[in-house]
Amino acid sequence: EVQLQQSGPEVGRPGSSVKISCKASGYTFTDYVMNWVKQSPGQGLEWIGWIDPEYGSTDYAEKFKKKATLTADTSSNTAYIQLSSLTSEDTATYFCARAYTTDYYVMDAWGQGASVTVSS
Amino acid sequence: DIQMTQSPPSLSASLGDKVTITCQASQNINKYIAWYQQKPGKAPRLLIRYTSTLESGTPSRFSGSGSGRDYSFSISNVESEDIASYYCLQYDNLPPTFGGGTKLELK
Repeated sequence: EVQLQQSGPEVGRPGSSVKISCKASGYTFTDYVMNWVKQSPGQGLEWIGWIDPEYGSTDYAEKFKKKATLTADTSSNTAYIQLSSLTSEDTATYFCARAYTTDYYVMDAWGQGASVTVSS
Repeated sequence: DIQMTQSPPSLSASLGDKVTITCQASQNINKYIAWYQQKPGKAPRLLIRYTSTLESGTPSRFSGSGSGRDYSFSISNVESEDIASYYCLQYDNLPPTFGGGTKLELK
């Protein structure tokens, strides 16, 4: 069974950083890219970017290029997103979601989401 | 970025009804549209890709159609388990962009 298990809720001070993990199981980690998607409270979905764990290559939406850093550890089948210089606009739930390498953006399995709250 | 205008924002239906949600792209997306279902507090679930291809496990009462800029998603014979929000996603052009969502409620 494919599973993407994300880390727990985070609280960050304005200006600080947080790092969320997404541990994959039930499939070959390097056969899929890992996307990250933001959902602000009561709002819709925004694509942040993806990482190809096999090569470490990444792509980001323009608005997240200075906000998010995606990494992956193939030894532990875990993908990470780090969010920096936190502001209230970063308060949201962040999902990891895999997509096959021939269809980078059709996300067919998702983590349960990790909430980030920015508060002083 | 391609804008996806999804309508209606909310929809009220009775069990057994047929409902239809539309997404209009700001430009031709060549059928590269997927549809997701999201229940409160849960992650989105992929239902349909490439306009009309049902994912494994997606009930046949779900369907999708369209071309060019205009796409639709339908549920025939709405069941209680279908009460959720639905989102379209275009993946023809970077960045992939989602529609604003449709919340389906029971009448």
